[in-house]
Amino acid sequence: ETGVTQTPRHLVMGMTNKKSLKCEQHLGHNAMYWYKQSAKKPLELMFVYNFKEQTENNSVPSRFSPECPNSSHLFLHLHTLQPEDSALYLCASSQEGGATGANVLTFGAGSRLTVL
Amino acid sequence: AQSVAQPEDQVNVAEGNPLTVKCTYSVSGNPYLFWYVQYPNRGLQFLLKYITGDNLVKGSYGFEAEFNKSQTSFHLKKPSALVSDSALYFCAVSRGDYKLSFGAGTTVTVRA
Repeated sequence: ETGVTQTPRHLVMGMTNKKSLKCEQHLGHNAMYWYKQSAKKPLELMFVYNFKEQTENNSVPSRFSPECPNSSHLFLHLHTLQPEDSALYLCASSQEGGATGANVLTFGAGSRLTVL
Repeated sequence: AQSVAQPEDQVNVAEGNPLTVKCTYSVSGNPYLFWYVQYPNRGLQFLLKYITGDNLVKGSYGFEAEFNKSQTSFHLKKPSALVSDSALYFCAVSRGDYKLSFGAGTTVTVRA
């Protein structure tokens, strides 16, 4: 275990459903991230929270809505998704999300999302 | 803008042979370079990083990487590959902030 736990590991949803992905870290980190991983494409940074404040929204469609109630928990709320949103969604954390340069990310195992 | 290119989708080597996974980058200013590995059904795991100093960086599991500023490259190497090294490898670059840009990944297969 890496210290970053994601649930559920697999999710199948219809285009009209509402679901949420959950991420929890037990590392005492202050920054949390959502990445999208699609086959044979670079990882896409979606959102960054640093000390519970959102510091990055990488032009993500509004059908993805993040929530960070505290430094240990991060959610990704999903609503009216499209089939092309099917991917592996990775959560990561780091000591902090500022300009440290040496920021090493610790990743969860991911949530495999399939949109029908 | 910053970006990473991993020119090979797949690398196949025999166990015991040297392994090289290529990475070139583009970034303004001094680069901060990273390698991560992803095993099946797992998230990415940190292998090593280059921030400054010696161009040869040593990391986990016997891996090392060489920073070459003139060629804007940061190739990952292992002198003697193991079957257990079979995985998906990602190179990443940042300008020193939290925005890591990853490559598309290289699948390494080590045959016994």
